[in-house]
This record gives sequence, structure tokens and C-alpha cells, in this order.
Amino acid sequence: KAGVTQTPRYLIKTRGQQVTLSCSPISGHRSVSWYQQTPGQGLQFLFEYFSETQRNKGNFPGRFSGRQFSNSRSEMNVSTLELGDSALYLCASLPDLSGANVLTFGAGSRLTVL
Amino acid sequence: KQEVTQIPAALSVPEGENLVLNCSFTDSAIYNLQWFRQDPGKGLTSLLLIQSSQREQTSGRLNASLDKSSGRSTLYIAASQPGDSATYLCAVRYSNYQLIWGAGTKLIIKP
Repeated sequence: KAGVTQTPRYLIKTRGQQVTLSCSPISGHRSVSWYQQTPGQGLQFLFEYFSETQRNKGNFPGRFSGRQFSNSRSEMNVSTLELGDSALYLCASLPDLSGANVLTFGAGSRLTVL
Repeated sequence: KQEVTQIPAALSVPEGENLVLNCSFTDSAIYNLQWFRQDPGKGLTSLLLIQSSQREQTSGRLNASLDKSSGRSTLYIAASQPGDSATYLCAVRYSNYQLIWGAGTKLIIKP
């Protein structure tokens, strides 16, 4: 059974550009959540999607957005990139919203903003 | 306010020692607690999930305990090895479905 797949693994952008990251959850999983991890702030929750609907949202500016498709794959977009957006972006999947299951993470997408 | 605290922030021990990592939470109305490890620059790997009705879970050399009344969980690592060096995070799923993360404990096992 394939795990959570994130693409791309590494990318470099310049300030002002935008970026789109992709996350394919474990087959059969319908919940996808996104996190930003930086050395200074640790792991911070961005948003969670279930059945194409955003269920929860963290405290991030509107430049950060996401969506989920009918096949449960999710994308997150960051517009007008800033230097502080450099981080490891992680996604995780769950089969449902019961909260009873193991949260499984992908390997992450490392974004560097120059 | 629902918070999760991990102390110490960093720990260095010689190889072969048994050690305990701590995770404290402020609200006893939890659904479950999960321990993860993270290697530098990598994603998180789930180690153990303890449901609120359970007292402990074991996997190999790892044992996690849960005491809701005192708001504490411990991760016990037996016979530590250099390969155990990583950052260990705990995450608490509260009954309102919110998932709150600790800041992690960076563990270094010295050969």
C-alpha cells in the first residue's frame, strides 16, 4: 500500500512568485491536512480537507490556500512568496474524521524562497 | 487553553541507556495521543498511538504510557542506539477534534 506522496520534494522560488504543492494521500484516505515546519516556529497547522471541503484552518494569511479533489488528492498554493515562507511543508492523511487513526505523513516538500 | 509541552527540548545520552521522554497536556478531555519521530529534513514517522481508554502501547523497544488524570504521557526507549537519534514529537487529539503538537525533544545517542 503506497504511502502519502508529496511533490515536488524540493523547489526554489523567488520573492513574489507563487507555488503549488501536491499531496496524494494513502489510497482510501479522505482527510488531508497540511503543516508548515520551520526551525523557529516548529510544526504549524495550515488546513485540513475532507471530501473536498475545508474542515479546519490554522492561523495563516490568505496567501496560503488549498483544495482537495474528488480523488482526495490535495494541493496547497502560496501566492506572493515571502522569504519567511521558506519551510518544509508536510501533508498527512487519515481515512476519516473519527480521530481514532494513525496520522500518516508524507516526506515533505522543501521550499526555499530567495 | 489546550496546550502540549515537551520537556526537555534536547537530551543527549550514551548508547545503551534506557531513557524517558515526557509529554504534558493541559486538558484531560483527550481522544488519543500519538508519538512521532522525525529525522533531520524528513517527514514524521508514527511510532505509537494511544487511545484515551488505554494506559500504554508497546512496539519493540518503545513503550508509551498515558495518564490522563495527571495530563502526562511518557515514551520509554530501552537500550538506546545511535539510530534512535532524532526529534520526537507528541501530538494530542482533544475531544473537540483539535490536534495540538508539542515542540519536540531532540534526542542524541552518543556511540
